Amino acid sequence: DQQVKQNSPSLSVQEGRISILNCDYTNSMFDYFLWYKKYPAEGPTFLISISSIKDKNEDGRFTVFLNKSAKHLSLHIVPSQPGDSAVYFCAARLSGGYQKVTFGTGTKLQVIP
Amino acid sequence: KAGVTQTPRYLIKTRGQQVTLSCSPISGHRSVSWYQQTPGQGLQFLFEYFSETQRNKGNFPGRFSGRQFSNSRSEMNVSTLELGDSALYLCASSSGLAGTGEQYFGPGTRLTVT
Repeated sequence: DQQVKQNSPSLSVQEGRISILNCDYTNSMFDYFLWYKKYPAEGPTFLISISSIKDKNEDGRFTVFLNKSAKHLSLHIVPSQPGDSAVYFCAARLSGGYQKVTFGTGTKLQVIP
Repeated sequence: KAGVTQTPRYLIKTRGQQVTLSCSPISGHRSVSWYQQTPGQGLQFLFEYFSETQRNKGNFPGRFSGRQFSNSRSEMNVSTLELGDSALYLCASSSGLAGTGEQYFGPGTRLTVT
């Protein structure tokens, strides 16, 4: 039962344009969401997070939007750069704080120069 | 600070054998989580250890086990290996329990079962 879903396995975007990566979840008890980026041969690195009490969090070129009613979050990268080419994982945590983190299947982003 | 280290980086085993993977967390971090990554499945949670106690466990068979030592280093063991166990095994550490914030991942151990 995949509670965190990233339905697009891959995405290609031109350099300088916006990249939008989507994530859907099924469990309304998730209260904290994270995005990780993974380069080949490296472990995932934390990118940005958002609490369920917010609907937007911004950090430089990266913005995460949360739509609780739709159980949907998205990561916007503006402008996209070739170095952003990586696999992006969405993750979610159940409320209570001391719960495991559930990851999505990942979306491979390719930014074309 | 040194990052999370995992050894070995690559491993080839035969069906039926057992394997032990090691993870050294960032200094001061008390939580270590283990994940299995396979194509199309994303990161599947195996288990989390905090202060030498298993705090959470994923939906994996009992062939998968782990432990944490007093210095927070962790080991993961897989017994009676199956072909389907071929995957990248990632370890992540955090200062508090994994669910309380971001985790820091190691580069992973690539296990191939033949």
